[in-house]
Amino acid sequence: DQQVKQNSPSLSVQEGRISILNCDYTNSMFDYFLWYKKYPAEGPTFLISISSIKDKNEDGRFTVFLNKSAKHLSLHIVPSQPGDSAVYFCAASGRTGANNLFFGTGTRLTVIP
Amino acid sequence: DTGVSQDPRHKITKRGQNVTFRCDPISEHNRLYWYRQTLGQGPEFLTYFQNEAQLEKSRLLSDRFSAERPKGSFSTLEIQRTEQGDSAMYLCASSPGTFFGLAGADSYNEQFFGPGTRLTVL
Repeated sequence: DQQVKQNSPSLSVQEGRISILNCDYTNSMFDYFLWYKKYPAEGPTFLISISSIKDKNEDGRFTVFLNKSAKHLSLHIVPSQPGDSAVYFCAASGRTGANNLFFGTGTRLTVIP
Repeated sequence: DTGVSQDPRHKITKRGQNVTFRCDPISEHNRLYWYRQTLGQGPEFLTYFQNEAQLEKSRLLSDRFSAERPKGSFSTLEIQRTEQGDSAMYLCASSPGTFFGLAGADSYNEQFFGPGTRLTVL
């Protein structure tokens, strides 16, 4: 049962334009959401996060938006750069003891120079 | 380098053999997690430790899998009698812990991942 879904396996964007990656979740108990970036042969690298009490969090070129009623979040990258090309994973956790992360299947972003 | 390290990075083994992986977390982190990632999927939670105590195991962690964190520092993950279905990337992550009640604590569950151990079972 996939509780976190990324329905777009891939996305191509021109350098300098905006990249928008989407994520949906089904578990209403999730209260913390993260985006990770992964290059080949490396582990996921934390990018940005948002708690459920907020609807937006910004860090430089990266902004995450959360729509709790729709159980949807998105990551905006502006402007996109070739070095942003990677697989992006959305993850969620709830207030359980483990706080283990539930990951989506990832979206491969390609930024075209 | 003060990040999470894993050893070995790659392991090829024959079906039926036992394998052991090691993870060294970031030194001040008291939580340590193991995840497994197969092709085309995101990481899936296997188990986690709070210091030396193993507090939760996923149903993915069959009886052939065992994890330890004897002194609350490094951890090992052993797979006995490996099967071809065990072929995957095994990821370790660590985090400082959980800060319940801190409204707006945007990094309360940030987990830092190691590079992973890629296991191939022939």
